[in-house]
Amino acid sequence: GQNIDQPTEMTATEGAIVQINCTYQTSGFNGLFWYQQHAGEAPTFLSYNVLDGLEEKGRFSSFLSRSKGYSYLLLKELQMKDSASYLCAVILGSSNTGKLIFGQGTTLQVKP
Amino acid sequence: EAQVTQNPRYLITVTGKKLTVTCSQNMNHEYMSWYRQDPGLGLRQIYYSMNVEVTDKGDVPEGYKVSRKEKRNFPLILESPSPNQTSLYFCASSLLGNYEQYFGPGTRLTVT
Repeated sequence: GQNIDQPTEMTATEGAIVQINCTYQTSGFNGLFWYQQHAGEAPTFLSYNVLDGLEEKGRFSSFLSRSKGYSYLLLKELQMKDSASYLCAVILGSSNTGKLIFGQGTTLQVKP
Repeated sequence: EAQVTQNPRYLITVTGKKLTVTCSQNMNHEYMSWYRQDPGLGLRQIYYSMNVEVTDKGDVPEGYKVSRKEKRNFPLILESPSPNQTSLYFCASSLLGNYEQYFGPGTRLTVT
C-alpha cells in the first residue's frame, strides 16, 4: 500500500528554525510537493522536489532523498503567520500521472 | 484574476438526495482533481482528469462520479449521498506535468 508519514504536531518559537519531516513508501514516485494550509483555507503550494537535494525558496527550503524515501521542509526565521498545517504529497507512478497521495499533515504552532 | 471556483461553499443535505458540486478554473489548465479532507485522514484524492473526456480514479472514488466535458469545468456528482460523505471537499487544477496545483476555496458538505 501507499504510506506517507509526518509528525502530527510541532511547536516552535518565533525567529527560530523548524524542520518538518516526511517519509514515504509508495509504489512509484514521480515527485514530492509541500503545501501550506492555514486553518479554514485551501492549501497553497510551497515547493516541488523530484531530484535528490535541496531546493531553496526564500525562508523555505525542501530536501529530498529518493533512496531513503525521505523529505523535509525547513522553515527559517519563523513568523507567527507560519502557524499552519504543512502537507507532504507524493506523485505516484510515471511521468504525467495524475495520482497524488497526501500525508496527514503537520500542524505547526509558532509561539512568541 | 486566475482562480478555481467551487459552488456551493456550504451544503447541508439528506441521505439519498443527488447533488452536484461545481468546479471551474480560468487558467486553461489541463489537469483537474477532487479531494476530500477529513480530520486525522488528511487530503484524499477522489477523481482526477488529465484533459477533456479523460478521467481516472483517485484513492477514494466510491460513491462519487465526475465528468469533464469542457476544459474549464469538472463537477463532482454524488448520486446518493450518505453520512460518511460528510466532509470538506477541494477542487484543484494545474498544468499537465507535475506542476503546482491551485486549489479552490472548498465546499463543506454535511449529509444527515
